[in-house]
Amino acid sequence: DTAVSQTPKYLVTQMGNDKSIKCEQNLGHDTMYWYKQDSKKFLKIMFSYNNKELIINETVPNRFSPKSPDKAHLNLHINSLELGDSAVYFCASSQDNADEQFFGPGTRLTVL
Amino acid sequence: AQSVTQPDIHITVSEGASLELRCNYSYGATPYLFWYVQSPGQGLQLLLKYFSGDTLVQGIKGFEAEFKRSQSSFNLRKPSVHWSDAAEYFCAVTNAGGTSYGKLTFGQGTILTVHP
Repeated sequence: DTAVSQTPKYLVTQMGNDKSIKCEQNLGHDTMYWYKQDSKKFLKIMFSYNNKELIINETVPNRFSPKSPDKAHLNLHINSLELGDSAVYFCASSQDNADEQFFGPGTRLTVL
Repeated sequence: AQSVTQPDIHITVSEGASLELRCNYSYGATPYLFWYVQSPGQGLQLLLKYFSGDTLVQGIKGFEAEFKRSQSSFNLRKPSVHWSDAAEYFCAVTNAGGTSYGKLTFGQGTILTVHP
């Protein structure tokens, strides 16, 4: 059973397009996160949600909009994609905000 | 602001040799510390974590780490490396509550290459 899943695994798109990445966790966790890993493998948090409420927003451009329809899902919608958005995006979840985080397999986004 | 430094970008060891990966953190409060491993094209897997108590923590795959508050360090060790340990290793820090809300701050990562 996959604990944290993301779709799609790969996403190739043109500049200016709008795209979404979906994340689901079946661990019953209350908190979910989105991280961005750049080309140098540096990982940085973007957002976190606790029980569908936004908790952390790390100065991410407002072209990025997370949406949490329920506790088990945290989707990431990106408008007007730019070349600099190319990265691997990881979803994660934890029972509460002090516990270990379980990561999804990542979505590699390439903007052409 | 919290920060994590992994001084070694790339380490190469021979199979069977011992390993130590360094991690230093800067944090005002009591830190919660983690080591994650990322194999090529994969997500991150937790190796071990330190919240409180015994400063020497055991993890999966034979790894251990020691929390040294006086040195602000949380170095990862393994007595005998296997070829399958080749991967990238990330140290991370957070704390409970406050304004961190579980925000993990990661180090830059250390790439481990294992020679046969």
